[in-house]
Amino acid sequence: GAVVSQHPSWVICKSGTSVKIECRSLDFQATTMFWYRQFPKQSLMLMATSNEGSKATYEQGVEKDKFLINHASLTLSTLTVTSAHPEDSSFYICSARQGWGTDTQYFGPGTRLTVL
Amino acid sequence: GDSVTQMEGPVTLSEEAFLTINCTYTATGYPSLFWYVQYPGEGLQLLLKATKADDKGSNKGFEATYRKETTSFHLEKGSVQVSDSAVYFCALRVSGGYQKVTFGTGTKLQVIP
Repeated sequence: GAVVSQHPSWVICKSGTSVKIECRSLDFQATTMFWYRQFPKQSLMLMATSNEGSKATYEQGVEKDKFLINHASLTLSTLTVTSAHPEDSSFYICSARQGWGTDTQYFGPGTRLTVL
Repeated sequence: GDSVTQMEGPVTLSEEAFLTINCTYTATGYPSLFWYVQYPGEGLQLLLKATKADDKGSNKGFEATYRKETTSFHLEKGSVQVSDSAVYFCALRVSGGYQKVTFGTGTKLQVIP
């Protein structure tokens, strides 16, 4: 089946620094990638949707200047958490969809971010 | 707005027991419904789906029927195994736009031998 990878799987950073998380579709081209945030014992909350080569569409309440999303190719999207603070600590998950006619999303394993 | 409500866990069952995880939804349009499973240390995987009323999705012994009249999509399995231990997410997607998926909070299932 289709595989989506994320790197790193776990990152610890100091408050005020920026962290970049990569999401790659390994064996298919992803026209659309999604970024989610998951808090403990809570659901996945969609942060933004990005299509290759265009600006990401952010959900209401998500700061686009803080969570920078780049979808430069059909196999790679990045999420950069800028000037991270402890409240940004969370589990970040990406998913990718192949083509417009399918409703199947393939999820990455997630990245745990801890901001000290 | 769209939302999904599923039963809180964790659910602990003995091997070969019957499983039901309840899921209800509210949606502004006519949604497709999904169950995703997340095994420990892995990403979410699509377990099954149904796209219209009265459709039954099934996979790996799991079943769920799209009930429009009760806005429900309960997950069932007749005989669970230890390998079914995971977190199960109910989700919906309404057509149009970027086809955003709305997830429930997840239900952790633990099956003991």
